[in-house]
Amino acid sequence: AQTVTQSQPEMSVQEAETVTLSCTYDTSENNYYLFWYKQPPSRQMILVIRQEAYKQQNATENRFSVNFQKAAKSFSLKISDSQLGDTAMYFCAFMKLGYGQNFVFGPGTRLSVLP
Amino acid sequence: DGGITQSPKYLFRKEGQNVTLSCEQNLNHDAMYWYRQDPGQGLRLIYYSQIVNDFQKGDIAEGYSVSREKKESFPLTVTSAQKNPTAFYLCASRSGQGARVTGELFFGEGSRLTVL
Repeated sequence: AQTVTQSQPEMSVQEAETVTLSCTYDTSENNYYLFWYKQPPSRQMILVIRQEAYKQQNATENRFSVNFQKAAKSFSLKISDSQLGDTAMYFCAFMKLGYGQNFVFGPGTRLSVLP
Repeated sequence: DGGITQSPKYLFRKEGQNVTLSCEQNLNHDAMYWYRQDPGQGLRLIYYSQIVNDFQKGDIAEGYSVSREKKESFPLTVTSAQKNPTAFYLCASRSGQGARVTGELFFGEGSRLTVL
């Protein structure tokens, strides 16, 4: 079974600074996807970024980028130029390809952006 | 606009009562999911459905029931057998063709259930 670990329950960062959230996972699969989801105080989960395991290039979406280390099973999220609106819970998630309920979430990291 | 609609957003229930949470999607997604979220915790899967008239138990299905009579709808009933039902419930869907699902999850805004 797959597991996802986020070792930082809470983090804070000053506005305009850069912060990195950690995520590690355990799987024997070779083909899978990894995601970072954001859950602001409004509670709706929003996709931040996704990474296909077969792609060596790290995914980037505006101020959000990932550092995907497949051999180390590590998938960290870097937020550049942090904004107050980035304050949220961030969940790392693993999805294996194929039939079944193949989505596993980590426990989350609460990020606070300070003015 | 396409999306997932959950209702009600807030619900109060007395002990011993069953309640049903609604989830409707117009994204034409085959797969739908129900997750439970407790304070400070991640998401735990209750039930999921890959296609109409088929659904499977997740990790914490005891005390819950679902139906999938239409592609667009996946209601969740919290029964009186659920010992600690106070939680935030999230419905999600994602694209796929039949039994093979691909792509990320799309979420509704959630329903908060409080048992008095």
